[in-house]
Amino acid sequence: GENVEQHPSTLSVQEGDSAVIKCTYSDSASNYFPWYKQELGKGPQLIIDIRSNVGEKKDQRIAVTLNKTAKHFSLHITETQPEDSAVYFCAASRRSNYQLIWGAGTKLIIKP
Amino acid sequence: EAGVAQSPRYKIIEKRQSVAFWCNPISGHATLYWYQQILGQGPKLLIQFQNNGVVDDSQLPKDRFSAERLKGVDSTLKIQPAKLEDSAVYLCASSWTGGQGNEKLFFGSGTQLSVL
Repeated sequence: GENVEQHPSTLSVQEGDSAVIKCTYSDSASNYFPWYKQELGKGPQLIIDIRSNVGEKKDQRIAVTLNKTAKHFSLHITETQPEDSAVYFCAASRRSNYQLIWGAGTKLIIKP
Repeated sequence: EAGVAQSPRYKIIEKRQSVAFWCNPISGHATLYWYQQILGQGPKLLIQFQNNGVVDDSQLPKDRFSAERLKGVDSTLKIQPAKLEDSAVYLCASSWTGGQGNEKLFFGSGTQLSVL
């Protein structure tokens, strides 16, 4: 069935450095790829998304890139700050019914 | 604007007991979702409503789980009887355009269920 794989499961970076999280999807018809941030005790919150007609999107320190040929997309966070510590989820949307298929999550730890 | 409200925040029950969770979505949002999130995993969709109709309940264990959305606003998710493997966070989310396209989901803080 449709699947989204996310790596790494845990990522520890020094404050101020960059962090990259990668996801691979199986359904070539997927056309929408959101990234959600989940802080402890809270529900996921959308931080950035990209559609299949775009290769890259930026929002301040956050960027997402999409490679449709390879069926993978990545989240890039630059100049990391302590408040970036959280679990990040990628997802891919089925074209047929818009249902999101979620990755397993990446726990990002920012070391002071 | 007010966010998605969920209650209770925590619930501890014994196996074979029943439990209910409540969700109030953002005002005006046509679509409401219930997700199950097991520790260390991504959210898994249980059921999706558009207004008061069910759009997708293919992953809802219907022998023990039920959900309703009265008048297309609030929703209740029930488990009866509960099993140990139901221990998880139950997240409610809502979205604006009625599930007719890819759109931002707004999540509540969830209900953490522990089944002993």
